[in-house]
Amino acid sequence: EPEVTQTPSHQVTQMGQEVILRCVPISNHLYFYWYRQILGQKVEFLVSFYNNEISEKSEIFDDQFSVERPDGSNFTLKIRSTKLEDSAMYFCASSVKAYEQYFGPGTRLTVT
Amino acid sequence: AQSVSQHNHHVILSEAASLELGCNYSYGGTVNLFWYVQYPGQHLQLLLKYFSGDPLVKGIKGFEAEFIKSKFSFNLRKPSVQWSDTAEYFCAVNARGSGNTGKLIFGQGTTLQVKP
Repeated sequence: EPEVTQTPSHQVTQMGQEVILRCVPISNHLYFYWYRQILGQKVEFLVSFYNNEISEKSEIFDDQFSVERPDGSNFTLKIRSTKLEDSAMYFCASSVKAYEQYFGPGTRLTVT
Repeated sequence: AQSVSQHNHHVILSEAASLELGCNYSYGGTVNLFWYVQYPGQHLQLLLKYFSGDPLVKGIKGFEAEFIKSKFSFNLRKPSVQWSDTAEYFCAVNARGSGNTGKLIFGQGTTLQVKP
């Protein structure tokens, strides 16, 4: 069964550094998403991406964040200058239509 | 603003006990409703979904949920839980209709611990 994959599973970085989180969505899916979950808190929507552009973004998704689909398979989330409060689990999801989403296993980002 | 509220943060049951996890949402339009489960060390998996039609939906592993529109609720049930149901359960909604991006709004999650 096709799955969403994410790499790395755990990323440790220093404050101020740039990180890129990678996702490979399910191949025939058209809608792509990033969510995050700070320890002990809700899963929060960050951004949705469709037809090679951002379709919606949350207040969290400020200028420090960007997304890209550099080729036909990868979907990346970049954080330009990480802050301590960016420490969280980051989930990628994809869907055929803008409804039922399939999630990847997540990348745990630790900012020190 | 859209929001989802799960009433139970941590539930402890013995095997064979019945389960009901509450979920209420706040949204002015038509929604799709979901329950996701996250087993220890694993990713979020779709347990069941409601788009339209019969308000009682059945999902995997014997779970079901009932959409009660008048109460803005989508409670999850299982008649008899097993130790393997120990996991975190998330209720989520997204808006239905053209122009909607599919953004999911999640509840805070309920940790279910089933004692053997």
